[in-house]
Amino acid sequence: KAGVTQTPRYLIKTRGQQVTLSCSPISGHRSVSWYQQTPGQGLQFLFEYFSETQRNKGNFPGRFSGRQFSNSRSEMNVSTLELGDSALYLCASNDPGANYNEQFFGPGTRLTVL
Amino acid sequence: AQSVTQLDSQVPVFEEAPVELRCNYSSSVSVYLFWYVQYPNQGLQLLLKYLSGSTLVKGINGFEAEFNKSQTYFHLRKPSVHISDTAEYFCAVRTSGGSYIPTFGRGTSLIVHP
Repeated sequence: KAGVTQTPRYLIKTRGQQVTLSCSPISGHRSVSWYQQTPGQGLQFLFEYFSETQRNKGNFPGRFSGRQFSNSRSEMNVSTLELGDSALYLCASNDPGANYNEQFFGPGTRLTVL
Repeated sequence: AQSVTQLDSQVPVFEEAPVELRCNYSSSVSVYLFWYVQYPNQGLQLLLKYLSGSTLVKGINGFEAEFNKSQTYFHLRKPSVHISDTAEYFCAVRTSGGSYIPTFGRGTSLIVHP
Protein backbone atom coordinates (compact mmCIF):
# COMPACT_ATOMS: atom_id res chain seq x y z
CA LYS A 1 0.00 0.00 0.00
CA ALA A 2 1.14 3.51 -0.66
CA GLY A 3 1.89 5.58 2.42
CA VAL A 4 0.39 8.86 3.51
CA THR A 5 1.11 11.58 1.00
CA GLN A 6 1.09 15.30 1.58
CA THR A 7 1.21 18.10 -0.95
CA PRO A 8 2.91 20.38 -1.41
CA ARG A 9 6.08 19.48 0.47
CA TYR A 10 7.27 23.07 0.75
CA LEU A 11 5.40 26.34 0.68
CA ILE A 12 6.36 29.97 1.11
CA LYS A 13 3.67 32.54 1.83
CA THR A 14 3.52 36.08 3.15
CA ARG A 15 1.65 37.39 6.16
CA GLY A 16 -2.06 37.85 5.59
CA GLN A 17 -2.32 35.26 2.85
CA GLN A 18 -4.15 31.99 3.17
CA VAL A 19 -2.94 28.49 2.42
CA THR A 20 -4.43 25.05 1.78
CA LEU A 21 -2.56 21.84 2.47
CA SER A 22 -3.59 18.43 1.24
CA CYS A 23 -3.28 14.95 2.71
CA SER A 24 -4.10 11.58 1.15
CA PRO A 25 -4.31 8.80 3.76
CA ILE A 26 -3.40 5.17 3.33
CA SER A 27 -6.07 3.36 1.36
CA GLY A 28 -8.79 2.16 3.72
CA HIS A 29 -7.91 4.55 6.54
CA ARG A 30 -10.87 6.73 7.42
CA SER A 31 -9.31 8.77 10.22
CA VAL A 32 -7.01 11.68 9.38
CA SER A 33 -5.32 13.86 11.98
CA TRP A 34 -3.33 17.03 11.54
CA TYR A 35 -0.44 18.25 13.68
CA GLN A 36 1.70 21.36 13.78
CA GLN A 37 5.36 20.81 14.59
CA THR A 38 7.61 23.67 15.66
CA PRO A 39 10.97 23.68 17.48
CA GLY A 40 9.51 25.58 20.43
CA GLN A 41 6.19 23.79 20.92
CA GLY A 42 6.89 20.33 19.56
CA LEU A 43 3.99 18.40 18.05
CA GLN A 44 0.61 19.97 18.66
CA PHE A 45 -2.65 18.40 17.64
CA LEU A 46 -4.85 20.48 15.33
CA PHE A 47 -7.87 18.32 14.53
CA GLU A 48 -9.03 14.87 13.51
CA TYR A 49 -11.53 13.94 10.83
CA PHE A 50 -13.38 10.67 10.54
CA SER A 51 -15.89 9.90 7.80
CA GLU A 52 -16.02 13.56 6.73
CA THR A 53 -16.78 14.80 10.26
CA GLN A 54 -14.47 16.63 12.62
CA ARG A 55 -14.30 14.40 15.66
CA ASN A 56 -11.58 16.00 17.78
CA LYS A 57 -10.13 19.47 17.86
CA GLY A 58 -7.01 20.92 19.44
CA ASN A 59 -6.53 24.35 20.91
CA PHE A 60 -5.91 26.44 17.83
CA PRO A 61 -7.65 29.63 16.66
CA GLY A 62 -10.45 29.56 14.13
CA ARG A 63 -8.02 30.61 11.38
CA PHE A 64 -7.12 26.92 11.23
CA SER A 65 -9.78 24.79 9.61
CA GLY A 66 -10.05 21.53 7.79
CA ARG A 67 -12.30 19.19 5.96
CA GLN A 68 -12.42 15.63 4.74
CA PHE A 69 -13.83 14.33 1.51
CA SER A 70 -15.76 11.15 0.83
CA ASN A 71 -12.58 9.41 -0.36
CA SER A 72 -10.98 10.25 3.04
CA ARG A 73 -8.58 12.79 1.57
CA SER A 74 -8.27 15.79 3.82
CA GLU A 75 -7.35 19.41 3.47
CA MET A 76 -6.43 21.97 6.07
CA ASN A 77 -6.66 25.70 5.54
CA VAL A 78 -4.97 28.52 7.39
CA SER A 79 -6.32 31.98 6.75
CA THR A 80 -4.68 35.33 7.49
CA LEU A 81 -1.26 33.80 7.94
CA GLU A 82 0.99 35.00 10.75
CA LEU A 83 4.75 34.64 11.11
CA GLY A 84 4.17 32.18 13.95
CA ASP A 85 2.36 29.81 11.60
CA SER A 86 5.69 28.83 10.08
CA ALA A 87 5.97 25.15 10.89
CA LEU A 88 6.01 21.61 9.61
CA TYR A 89 2.42 20.43 9.21
CA LEU A 90 2.04 16.69 9.57
CA CYS A 91 -0.88 14.55 8.59
CA ALA A 92 -1.47 11.10 10.04
CA SER A 93 -3.99 8.43 9.20
CA ASN A 94 -5.08 5.29 10.96
CA ASP A 95 -7.42 2.40 10.65
CA PRO A 96 -10.28 2.19 13.14
CA GLY A 97 -10.21 -1.55 12.75
CA ALA A 98 -6.73 -1.59 14.28
CA ASN A 99 -7.92 0.07 17.49
CA TYR A 100 -6.32 3.38 16.67
CA ASN A 101 -3.05 2.15 18.11
CA GLU A 102 -0.80 3.30 15.37
CA GLN A 103 -0.84 6.50 13.42
CA PHE A 104 0.88 6.54 10.05
CA PHE A 105 2.47 9.88 9.29
CA GLY A 106 3.11 11.62 6.02
CA PRO A 107 6.37 13.47 5.29
CA GLY A 108 4.81 16.82 6.12
CA THR A 109 4.43 20.19 4.46
CA ARG A 110 7.00 22.79 5.44
CA LEU A 111 5.26 26.17 5.54
CA THR A 112 7.33 29.34 5.75
CA VAL A 113 5.53 32.62 6.36
CA LEU A 114 7.50 35.76 5.48
CA ALA B 1 -5.80 14.60 31.06
CA GLN B 2 -2.53 12.93 30.27
CA SER B 3 0.87 14.51 29.80
CA VAL B 4 4.31 13.33 28.79
CA THR B 5 7.76 14.73 29.55
CA GLN B 6 10.90 13.85 27.70
CA LEU B 7 13.63 14.65 30.14
CA ASP B 8 16.45 15.32 27.68
CA SER B 9 16.19 17.59 24.68
CA GLN B 10 19.45 16.30 23.25
CA VAL B 11 21.48 13.13 23.84
CA PRO B 12 24.93 12.86 22.27
CA VAL B 13 26.52 9.42 22.19
CA PHE B 14 29.34 7.64 20.42
CA GLU B 15 28.70 4.92 17.89
CA GLU B 16 28.33 1.40 19.39
CA ALA B 17 27.64 2.83 22.85
CA PRO B 18 24.35 2.10 24.65
CA VAL B 19 21.73 4.80 24.92
CA GLU B 20 18.64 5.52 27.00
CA LEU B 21 16.06 8.16 26.12
CA ARG B 22 13.86 9.03 29.04
CA CYS B 23 10.12 9.56 29.02
CA ASN B 24 7.90 10.22 32.04
CA TYR B 25 4.14 10.41 31.80
CA SER B 26 1.23 11.31 34.01
CA SER B 27 -2.31 10.06 33.82
CA SER B 28 -5.04 9.16 36.28
CA VAL B 29 -6.18 6.23 34.16
CA SER B 30 -4.61 3.38 32.22
CA VAL B 31 -2.50 4.41 29.27
CA TYR B 32 -1.07 3.25 26.01
CA LEU B 33 2.49 4.39 25.30
CA PHE B 34 4.40 4.89 22.07
CA TRP B 35 7.82 5.81 20.79
CA TYR B 36 8.18 7.37 17.34
CA VAL B 37 11.30 8.29 15.37
CA GLN B 38 11.61 11.16 12.91
CA TYR B 39 14.49 11.27 10.46
CA PRO B 40 15.38 14.59 8.79
CA ASN B 41 12.76 15.81 6.33
CA GLN B 42 10.47 12.89 7.07
CA GLY B 43 7.33 12.21 9.05
CA LEU B 44 7.17 10.15 12.23
CA GLN B 45 7.55 6.37 12.18
CA LEU B 46 6.39 4.09 14.99
CA LEU B 47 9.28 2.36 16.79
CA LEU B 48 7.29 0.45 19.39
CA LYS B 49 4.20 0.59 21.56
CA TYR B 50 2.99 -0.64 24.92
CA LEU B 51 -0.67 -1.62 25.13
CA SER B 52 -0.68 -4.31 27.82
CA GLY B 53 1.21 -7.39 28.94
CA SER B 54 4.98 -7.59 29.27
CA THR B 55 6.56 -4.40 30.51
CA LEU B 56 9.55 -4.88 28.23
CA VAL B 57 8.58 -3.99 24.70
CA LYS B 58 10.72 -4.73 21.68
CA GLY B 59 10.54 -2.59 18.57
CA ILE B 60 12.19 -2.11 15.24
CA ASN B 61 15.85 -1.32 14.60
CA GLY B 62 16.98 -3.00 17.84
CA PHE B 63 15.17 -0.59 20.16
CA GLU B 64 13.29 -1.66 23.26
CA ALA B 65 11.43 0.15 26.00
CA GLU B 66 10.61 -0.53 29.63
CA PHE B 67 7.21 0.41 30.99
CA ASN B 68 7.15 1.14 34.72
CA LYS B 69 3.66 1.84 36.01
CA SER B 70 4.61 2.69 39.61
CA GLN B 71 7.25 5.22 38.59
CA THR B 72 5.31 6.27 35.45
CA TYR B 73 8.07 6.04 32.92
CA PHE B 74 8.55 4.50 29.49
CA HIS B 75 12.25 4.76 28.72
CA LEU B 76 13.64 3.82 25.33
CA ARG B 77 16.92 1.90 25.10
CA LYS B 78 19.31 0.48 22.57
CA PRO B 79 22.39 -1.53 23.58
CA SER B 80 24.55 -0.34 20.68
CA VAL B 81 23.73 2.64 18.50
CA HIS B 82 24.66 3.28 14.90
CA ILE B 83 25.27 6.51 13.04
CA SER B 84 21.97 5.93 11.22
CA ASP B 85 20.09 6.17 14.55
CA THR B 86 20.71 9.91 14.56
CA ALA B 87 17.18 11.34 14.57
CA GLU B 88 14.48 12.95 16.70
CA TYR B 89 12.61 10.60 19.03
CA PHE B 90 9.14 11.28 20.37
CA CYS B 91 7.34 9.62 23.25
CA ALA B 92 3.53 9.68 23.14
CA VAL B 93 0.74 8.66 25.50
CA ARG B 94 -2.96 8.21 25.19
CA THR B 95 -5.52 6.99 27.67
CA SER B 96 -6.95 3.56 27.05
CA GLY B 97 -10.57 4.63 27.27
CA GLY B 98 -10.54 8.19 26.11
CA SER B 99 -9.73 10.15 23.00
CA TYR B 100 -7.84 8.32 20.32
CA ILE B 101 -5.52 11.27 19.96
CA PRO B 102 -2.10 10.80 21.59
CA THR B 103 -0.22 13.50 23.45
CA PHE B 104 3.37 13.86 22.29
CA GLY B 105 6.46 14.85 24.20
CA ARG B 106 8.68 17.61 22.87
CA GLY B 107 11.18 15.17 21.45
CA THR B 108 14.77 14.11 22.13
CA SER B 109 17.43 14.63 19.54
CA LEU B 110 19.76 11.63 19.47
CA ILE B 111 23.11 12.52 17.97
CA VAL B 112 25.44 9.61 17.28
CA HIS B 113 29.10 10.51 16.79
CA PRO B 114 31.59 8.27 14.97
